[in-house]
Amino acid sequence: GQNIDQPTEMTATEGAIVQINCTYQTSGFNGLFWYQQHAGEAPTFLSYNVLDGLEEKGRFSSFLSRSKGYSYLLLKELQMKDSASYLCAVRDPTGGGNKLTFGTGTQLKVEL
Amino acid sequence: DTGVSQDPRHKITKRGQNVTFRCDPISEHNRLYWYRQTLGQGPEFLTYFQNEAQLEKSRLLSDRFSAERPKGSFSTLEIQRTEQGDSAMYLCASSIGQGQGGYTFGSGTRLTVV
Repeated sequence: GQNIDQPTEMTATEGAIVQINCTYQTSGFNGLFWYQQHAGEAPTFLSYNVLDGLEEKGRFSSFLSRSKGYSYLLLKELQMKDSASYLCAVRDPTGGGNKLTFGTGTQLKVEL
Repeated sequence: DTGVSQDPRHKITKRGQNVTFRCDPISEHNRLYWYRQTLGQGPEFLTYFQNEAQLEKSRLLSDRFSAERPKGSFSTLEIQRTEQGDSAMYLCASSIGQGQGGYTFGSGTRLTVV
């Protein structure tokens, strides 16, 4: 089985940097995904990590440490439109390696 | 191609009725997934297709739930004898292969059972 933990809520200021952490305990691992989801909308893909280290994509970066079962999503130069839920998901290698198990999401509020 | 399409966007039904949802994936994506999401929770995996073959089903998918993907294109998810606990957002996603580039989600069908 999979257990994924992330903070429920975070608040940050426009223009600042915020780090959203995710820890996981899994029987297997085949990649970690971060998604952004605005209220009432579909989750949209942000990043994918399968090897240790940092992946950078514009204002968003994601880090993975497989030995620690830990990832974070770093958002720089925060904008009001970044207010959303951020979902951490781990891919389960069993059953063909395609099932994503999601955390409950971190609701980020960006304030002026 | 404009992404993953789901129909309807909203469905209100009375308890005990049957409902069917449709998902049209991105045309070149061979893998299709159904997830269910309730308020304040992350999506929960229901089932997965590779082309027309249903390769994995969650324990969440009771006998009242059935999914099909005829001809490996669109997919349908049917819920028979709906219960209030079935009220949720039903999300469909598709990917090419194992989806290292990300799974593309549709906007979902919000089901309310009254």
